[in-house]
Amino acid sequence: GQNIDQPTEMTATEGAIVQINCTYQTSGFNGLFWYQQHAGEAPTFLSYNVLDGLEEKGRFSSFLSRSKGYSYLLLKELQMKDSASYLCAVRDNGGATNKLIFGTGTLLAVQP
Amino acid sequence: DVKVTQSSRYLVKRTGEKVFLECVQDMDHENMFWYRQDPGLGLRLIYFSYDVKMKEKGDIPEGYSVSREKKERFSLILESASTNQTSMYLCASIDPGQGGQPQHFGDGTRLSIL
Repeated sequence: GQNIDQPTEMTATEGAIVQINCTYQTSGFNGLFWYQQHAGEAPTFLSYNVLDGLEEKGRFSSFLSRSKGYSYLLLKELQMKDSASYLCAVRDNGGATNKLIFGTGTLLAVQP
Repeated sequence: DVKVTQSSRYLVKRTGEKVFLECVQDMDHENMFWYRQDPGLGLRLIYFSYDVKMKEKGDIPEGYSVSREKKERFSLILESASTNQTSMYLCASIDPGQGGQPQHFGDGTRLSIL
């Protein structure tokens, strides 16, 4: 079956670094996405990985290991505004459909 | 910037009513999607459309139907609303030609069925 696992909640301190893990078991793999979602708002795109390795984008980085079915999102220099849910999503096939399978999200609380 | 617009942020309807949720995108995207989001369950795909008048069921289509008469508009229909359809509904669109392109989401409609 299709399964994506993320921790439900995490807490971190302002200025620190936090790593949010995501493991997946899907019938196929054609890319992994990370989204940020503030309470009551739409998810917004953070990063995309399709090959193994690290993608860096400012304070945010995302890593992928396809052989392990594993990804993480790394947030550096945490700010209070980073308090949000972080959603991991896998595109399990190519072609025209572009369907995503979402994890349940990790609620990150950044404390002063 | 891609703009995905959902017609209502908040909606309250009664059990048994026929409910229409509208979504419009302005980037000529071919693929459009309807999800519902519930605490502890994440985003679940209800229906998607990969072209005008083309639709496919997602993971939880029961109790819903969709309409895509024009490329920019994708409507979700609750045929006879029930209380278990109280949820946050999110619409998304994507250009299928770009491999790394993400789905772009609307702001969501929080629907309450009384």
